[in-house]
Amino acid sequence: RKEVEQDPGPFNVPEGATVAFNCTYSNSASQSFFWYRQDCRKEPKLLMSVYSSGNEDGRFTAQLNRASQYISLLIRDSKLSDSATYLCVASSNDYKLSFGAGTTVTVRA
Amino acid sequence: SAVISQKPSRDICQRGTSLTIQCQVDSQVTMMFWYRQQPGQSLTLIATANQGSEATYESGFVIDKFPISRPNLTFSTLTVSNMSPEDSSIYLCSVDGTSGGGDTQYFGPGTRLTVL
Repeated sequence: RKEVEQDPGPFNVPEGATVAFNCTYSNSASQSFFWYRQDCRKEPKLLMSVYSSGNEDGRFTAQLNRASQYISLLIRDSKLSDSATYLCVASSNDYKLSFGAGTTVTVRA
Repeated sequence: SAVISQKPSRDICQRGTSLTIQCQVDSQVTMMFWYRQQPGQSLTLIATANQGSEATYESGFVIDKFPISRPNLTFSTLTVSNMSPEDSSIYLCSVDGTSGGGDTQYFGPGTRLTVL
């Protein structure tokens, strides 16, 4: 079983729509969680950290549910530039990051 | 965040040869990591590059195949030895960073390797 699992998508949404997706993690010792964004043929870039209380960064909202071991990302008012693969990441105390395989989002005009 | 560069950005190599990938950071960092991302898959950690000591390898990766150097706090190399087509992948280095939320990492642009 993979340590971090994501729905690969793709999620095809029109501009302005809201899109949300989850990932689950299997290691209950995971302490830190992140969403990274990866554009085609580019390196992953940190989108946001995920806090237990949930957090928002502009149009992006992340939630963490430790009891059920899942993390969510919601994108409001989608832009064409939001089209990318979103990687869910969990980290334990040893600084190692476990990456999900990514969820592909395509925003169409 | 740190500015990270990698050389080469891409290469096409023959089976049985070796390639050394360089990772340079514009500031001193404690931890550097090497990942592999095979086509259509997510990132897999190869090893943690420790300054002044041997790298720490993950399960399934060995020093003979992926020797790593870390001579100082801003530079590391990864060598892919005795390459086969199965080694075709993107190789990424990353460095530790802080975002106020835990153990984030920032990635270099990657090296796209094709082995014929």
